[in-house]
Amino acid sequence: QSALTQPPSASGSLGQSVTISCTGTSRDVGGYNYVSWYQQHPGKAPKLMIYEVTKRPSGVPDRFSGSKSANTASLTVSGLQAEDEAEYHCSSYGGSNNVIFGGGTNLTVL
Amino acid sequence: QLHLQESGPGLVKSSETLSLTCPVSGDSFISGTYYGALIRRPPGKGLEWIGSVYHSGTTYYNPSLRSRVSISVDTSKNQFSLKLTSLTATDTAVYYCVGHRLVVPIAVDFWGPGTLVTVSS
Repeated sequence: QSALTQPPSASGSLGQSVTISCTGTSRDVGGYNYVSWYQQHPGKAPKLMIYEVTKRPSGVPDRFSGSKSANTASLTVSGLQAEDEAEYHCSSYGGSNNVIFGGGTNLTVL
Repeated sequence: QLHLQESGPGLVKSSETLSLTCPVSGDSFISGTYYGALIRRPPGKGLEWIGSVYHSGTTYYNPSLRSRVSISVDTSKNQFSLKLTSLTATDTAVYYCVGHRLVVPIAVDFWGPGTLVTVSS
């Protein structure tokens, strides 16, 4: 299966909102409610921010939200803060005990 | 809670086998609450799931790597290990030991810090 498609970069101003997309197919993103999003700062390991499309692990601010429409999932970060500047990765269950990831999106906070 | 740490060589030669060990702190791996897995990130590319192992030894592998991958578990040492054969430059990546709840890493709760493995010719 091919990797999920994410825009290489995204940006938003402090306090504003930004949405990052993650596009797959009906065999992965569109077929299951198993999309996750990870935040990764340079030199650090990824951190789970969203799972099962919309759920937030304990400790993740509610400024982070997830959604899905057809074969595209989205991560929205509201009230952007400087510390939100990072790379964001999406993943999806791809059926047949397989998981696929996107290429990552670098978020810049202006 | 799980704490994981990658242990392995930073440099390996092309055509050889990479051996990486993931010691786990915390009893959630042995108890079966979490699966252990390896995920890697090649330079300039996205993350890639390599495979997962349950404390019983049951394994699940990425179909694209299945022919070259073997993951085993040592419950006496509370650790799991990766062997990746027939290395090429495309296997150069940061390798992460991780812990997740379901059969495959649909959502990864715990990550090791990662270790860079470079495959040289």
